Amino acid sequence: EAAVTQSPRNKVAVTGGKVTLSCNQTNNHNNMYWYRQDTGHGLRLIHYSYGAGSTEKGDIPDGYKASRPSQENFSLILELATPSQTSVYFCASGETGGSSAETLYFGSGTRLTVL
Amino acid sequence: GDQVEQSPSALSLHEGTDSALRCNFTTTMRSVQWFRQNSRGSLISLFYLASGTKENGRLKSAFDSKERRYSTLHIRDAQLEDSGTYFCAAEARGNYQLIWGSGTKLIIKP
Repeated sequence: EAAVTQSPRNKVAVTGGKVTLSCNQTNNHNNMYWYRQDTGHGLRLIHYSYGAGSTEKGDIPDGYKASRPSQENFSLILELATPSQTSVYFCASGETGGSSAETLYFGSGTRLTVL
Repeated sequence: GDQVEQSPSALSLHEGTDSALRCNFTTTMRSVQWFRQNSRGSLISLFYLASGTKENGRLKSAFDSKERRYSTLHIRDAQLEDSGTYFCAAEARGNYQLIWGSGTKLIIKP
């Protein structure tokens, strides 16, 4: 069973501060994703990565940066946090199998509050 | 853009009853996945389907193999632990990324 670990579980930040959300996966998956979940929107993709050194913009990348320094680690960075970024953030990993999409494995989520 | 519409948005059932959740797609999709999110926010993957049906215990999911424009999730003999929010996510052709529905909040009552 793939393990995806997010840290911290909860974070309170001030407007204008820098926030880094971390994600670690132990199943050697190539692909990793950062989503945010807000009421009425389901999950929305922020950034994703196909492997170490790769970062790609998702559907809502503005205000976020991502870093994939290794196969195992994928970070989401808010350089200047804003209250609109208050949300629950999920990291996921997966391995595309040939021509088909992948089964995603999710972390437990990080609840971020920006005051 | 491509859309995934889930229905109903919320559903309240008594234990032992059956239910059906549905996802409609505005375009042909390559595959669909179903997830359940529990009250603590944790997400687990229930099914991945590229076609046909899959069954796991009291859960059964189907993906319209002809036009690939909808998927269903059936829950048989609902139990309290089935409560949660169910999401479907679909992959459009030519793009491995997933498009998410807004979820169905399911409450199972004793």
